Order: sequence, then C-alpha cells, then structure tokens
Amino acid sequence: EAGVTQFPSHSVIEKGQTVTLRCDPISGHDNLYWYRRVMGKEIKFLLHFVKESKQDESGMPNNRFLAERTGGTYSTLKVQPAELEDSGVYFCASSSRGQNTEAFFGQGTRLTVV
Amino acid sequence: SQQGEEDPQALSIQEGENATMNCSYKTSINNLQWYRQNSGRGLVHLILIRSNEREKHSGRLRVTLDTSKKSSSLLITASRAADTASYFCATVLRRGSNYKLTFGKGTLLTVNP
Repeated sequence: EAGVTQFPSHSVIEKGQTVTLRCDPISGHDNLYWYRRVMGKEIKFLLHFVKESKQDESGMPNNRFLAERTGGTYSTLKVQPAELEDSGVYFCASSSRGQNTEAFFGQGTRLTVV
Repeated sequence: SQQGEEDPQALSIQEGENATMNCSYKTSINNLQWYRQNSGRGLVHLILIRSNEREKHSGRLRVTLDTSKKSSSLLITASRAADTASYFCATVLRRGSNYKLTFGKGTLLTVNP
C-alpha cells in the first residue's frame, strides 16, 4: 500500500512567485492535514480536510495560502505570492476515521523562498 | 490553544543508555501520540496512548500518560545510534468530527556510538 506522497520534495522560488504543493493521501483516508515546520521550530497546524470539506483552517497564516482537495482525494496547497517567511517544510498527513487512529505523514516539501 | 511542550529540548546520551523525554499539555485530550523525525525526512508515528490509558509499551519504547498532571513521557531503553532523531508529542482533541493533532516543539535526541 502506498503511503502519503508529496510533490515536489524541494522547491526554490523567488519572492512574489507562486508555488503549488501537492499531497496524495493514503487511499480511503477521509482526513487530510497540512502542517508546516519553519527553521527548527514547532510543527504548526495549517488546516484539516474531511473528504473535500475544510473542517478547520484556523492555522492558515493569511489569504496568500489556498488549499483545495478535489473530490476528496489529493490536495493542493498554493502560496501566491510567496514571501520569505513562507520558507519551511510543509507536511501532509492523512488518517482514517475515528479519534484513536494514527496519522501517516508524507516526507514533506521543503520550500525555500529567496 | 493547547500545545504539547517537550522537555528537554535537546538530549545527548551514549549508546546503550536510556533516554527519557517529557511532554506537557494544557487542555483535555482524547489521545496523545509520539512521532519521530529523522533529519530531512517525514514524521514517523511511534505510539498512541489513549486518555484512559496510563502506560503503553512497544518494543524498546515505553510511554506513560498522567492526565491529572497533563503530562506524558517517552522512554527509549537501550538506545542505539539509529535512534538519533527529533521526537515530538502530539495531542488529539476531538471537537465534533474534527480531530486535530497539535505538536510540540520537539526534543532533539543524539545517541553517540
């Protein structure tokens, strides 16, 4: 069974450009989460999808970030326009239903804005 | 908002020794999970302990949970160089159909050969 996959693994873009990160969750997992870790700091929650619906987007930093989950399958996180402080590692995780289930994480996308 | 806080921030030990990391949180939880992150890689789930459990074992890992003190500990016994990684605790609180994992800042464990 394939795990959570993220693409690209690395991205270097200039300030003001647009970048789109993609996450493919484990098949059948309704829950999909985006997290971000900036420069060795804590792993911060961005948002949570249940199927195609945004359940909680309280962690999204500002309106330059847009997340979608088409048909409840893969998800994209677009940053437009990117700023220097957006640099970090963006993790995606998925889990099945139920409160006592583990979340499976992807390898992350390392985003560097220069 | 609730948040796991790991203690210590960094820990350096010799191979074969035990490593203990602690985590404190602020609000009630449904469960608490520990994850490991090797440098440059994704997070790997280690163990989940439910709010009604006090202790759980998995191989060389032992996790305790004290909900009255809102704290948890992760013990790695007989550590190996390959255990070198960052360790995070994450709390899960259910609100309706929303189960959100909230992570702490992590403990960087270095096991010296």
